[in-house]
Amino acid sequence: DTEVTQTPKHLVMGMTNKKSLKCEQHMGHRAMYWYKQKAKKPPELMFVYSYEKLSINESVPSRFSPECPNSSLLNLHLHALQPEDSALYLCASSQDQRGSYNEQFFGPGTRLTVL
Amino acid sequence: AQSVTQLGSHVSVSEGALVLLRCNYSSSVPPYLFWYVQYPNQGLQLLLKYTSAATLVKGINGFEAEFKKSETSFHLTKPSAHMSDAAEYFCAVSDSPSYGKLTFGQGTILTVHP
Repeated sequence: DTEVTQTPKHLVMGMTNKKSLKCEQHMGHRAMYWYKQKAKKPPELMFVYSYEKLSINESVPSRFSPECPNSSLLNLHLHALQPEDSALYLCASSQDQRGSYNEQFFGPGTRLTVL
Repeated sequence: AQSVTQLGSHVSVSEGALVLLRCNYSSSVPPYLFWYVQYPNQGLQLLLKYTSAATLVKGINGFEAEFKKSETSFHLTKPSAHMSDAAEYFCAVSDSPSYGKLTFGQGTILTVHP
């Protein structure tokens, strides 16, 4: 299985809602990533988990809360988002965070719209 | 910090013509370089990567890229474009071997005309 899956595919939420994005991989990868991609822009790194521990937080607002329950799962909890948070949220995984193993495999993304 | 610059936000070619997408990098250390492709409303798919093993890197779907240290370039080429190659292409650099952060260029949209 060489696939990264993400659910849901689309999500519409109000600014007072709480929702979660889910990402799963079964490739035995020990690094997992969340990226945010605005329209017509490249992906921007948000968080990196390495061996189930938060390794990198790119100064992301606290209304985004990542969680890594186990080595195969990565969640992104959303609360009190703003309309400017509407974007495609991409999950990726790699064998390891370091070196040449940093070949990242991406999921299809969750298209988030905040009303 | 390392960075990449993709020259040309849009490239248009005819089917069967050569595809050349340009990427220049900025790095103080030997970089890890990647090319990804993104089809509309989809995630990113790795085309190829450079990790210092060979300067000419062959990837999927007939694409290849050549690492030229003297020119700080990693241009992506394909001898003959196919309609299915129409997509957005991103060049990316790994921030450092131990850091794991990918920094992407601004992307190049490839259009293929019949």
